[in-house]
Amino acid sequence: DIQMTQSPSSLSASIGDRVTITCRASQVISKYLAWYQQQPGKPPRLLIYAASTLQSGAPSRFSGSGSGTDFTLTISSLQPEDVATYYCQRYNSAPQTFGQGTKVEL
Amino acid sequence: QVTLRESGPALVKPTQTLTLTCTFSGFSLNTSGMCVSWVRQPPGKALEWLALIDWDDGKFYSTSLKTRLTISKDTSKSQVVLTMTNMDPVDTATYYCARMGLRWTLDDWGQGTLVTVSS
Repeated sequence: DIQMTQSPSSLSASIGDRVTITCRASQVISKYLAWYQQQPGKPPRLLIYAASTLQSGAPSRFSGSGSGTDFTLTISSLQPEDVATYYCQRYNSAPQTFGQGTKVEL
Repeated sequence: QVTLRESGPALVKPTQTLTLTCTFSGFSLNTSGMCVSWVRQPPGKALEWLALIDWDDGKFYSTSLKTRLTISKDTSKSQVVLTMTNMDPVDTATYYCARMGLRWTLDDWGQGTLVTVSS
């Protein structure tokens, strides 16, 4: 199976900071990469798909980039409601796989 | 509006079989390209994809769990059922179902149901 590796596993930042999370696939997955946000006590929510396309309703401070094996999620200006765990997922085929998550704290 | 709701036992004993039902509305699994997936999350741990079923009754499973999982659908009831055999305490988790469209991204999620495996 294709493995997804995220870094860092956790980070602490301040309001207004620029935050960057990386995700690496063990094989080329083109742009079949999604990012999900999971706020405490809630189900995950799709933020970005096709590596860089913002899901309808997701705040514009979130952006994604990358292709092939290396991907990045960026929060341009961290807000209190962005405290959450972020997961990357490759979805080009089954079985699908998630990264291990990155916990973002203030 | 798409909604999904997971239901099933909150507690199962080791070696028992778990049966979970996802009841959904706002879409049809008869629609070409539509799929439903199951994902689980042990307490404090990461998401783990388990299985999906598509509109054409295609079924896909986690490599590590495929011998224990069965997914099925009842389109007349708007339900997808996941069974997992030989439950173990390490299977304690919140189990989610999610709608997948043509992209195969998990676009809409249920609230999840916590299943505890304990004697």
